[in-house]
Amino acid sequence: NAGVTQTPKFQVLKTGQSMTLQCAQDMNHNSMYWYRQDPGMGLRLIYYSASEGTTDKGEVPNGYNVSRLNKREFSLRLESAAPSQTSVYFCASSEQYDMNTEAFFGQGTRLTVV
Amino acid sequence: RKEVEQDPGPFNVPEGATVAFNCTYSNSASQSFFWYRQDCRKEPKLLMSVYSSGNEDGRFTAQLNRASQYISLLIRDSKLSDSATYLCVVNKGGGFKTIFGAGTRLFVKA
Repeated sequence: NAGVTQTPKFQVLKTGQSMTLQCAQDMNHNSMYWYRQDPGMGLRLIYYSASEGTTDKGEVPNGYNVSRLNKREFSLRLESAAPSQTSVYFCASSEQYDMNTEAFFGQGTRLTVV
Repeated sequence: RKEVEQDPGPFNVPEGATVAFNCTYSNSASQSFFWYRQDCRKEPKLLMSVYSSGNEDGRFTAQLNRASQYISLLIRDSKLSDSATYLCVVNKGGGFKTIFGAGTRLFVKA
């Protein structure tokens, strides 16, 4: 059982380049999330999808877009990468919308923007 | 003031020691509380939920103090494998508002 799978695991971008982070879960969860983690800042929510067909902004959405492609997949796109977007990105999913149940995380994507 | 605050540590303890972490939260309407564990360069994983009546799982005990707005995690008989970062998670319910603390680092030494 794979759980939550993220790709790629590592990426280096030049300022201004674009890329899409892919995430898929096989637990039939309704809700999916994208977080970024920076030293001393904790996990901060970028976007979330309460259910298939819906997406909403989180705490730090600027510079990002998302697509809930189907129930399994939730992608995060950086249209024009900036050094401030250097971070570790985690995708997560949970059975319930408000994360009152256990959240399962992917292994993370380490992104460096130079 | 941050919505969820944790002592970043690091806590350096010998094997067999008892160690406790606190986490304070600012929103009195918060309803759900969790501790997650994150190993170095890995993803967070749920350690335990925190119930009003307290919660114990083996060597781990979690407590909630609503009056003072903090939760705690107690680890007894520390093992080398307990070395990790412990994240406090608070959810206010009634709509998406889950906040992760920045984490407390624990190193258990032989």
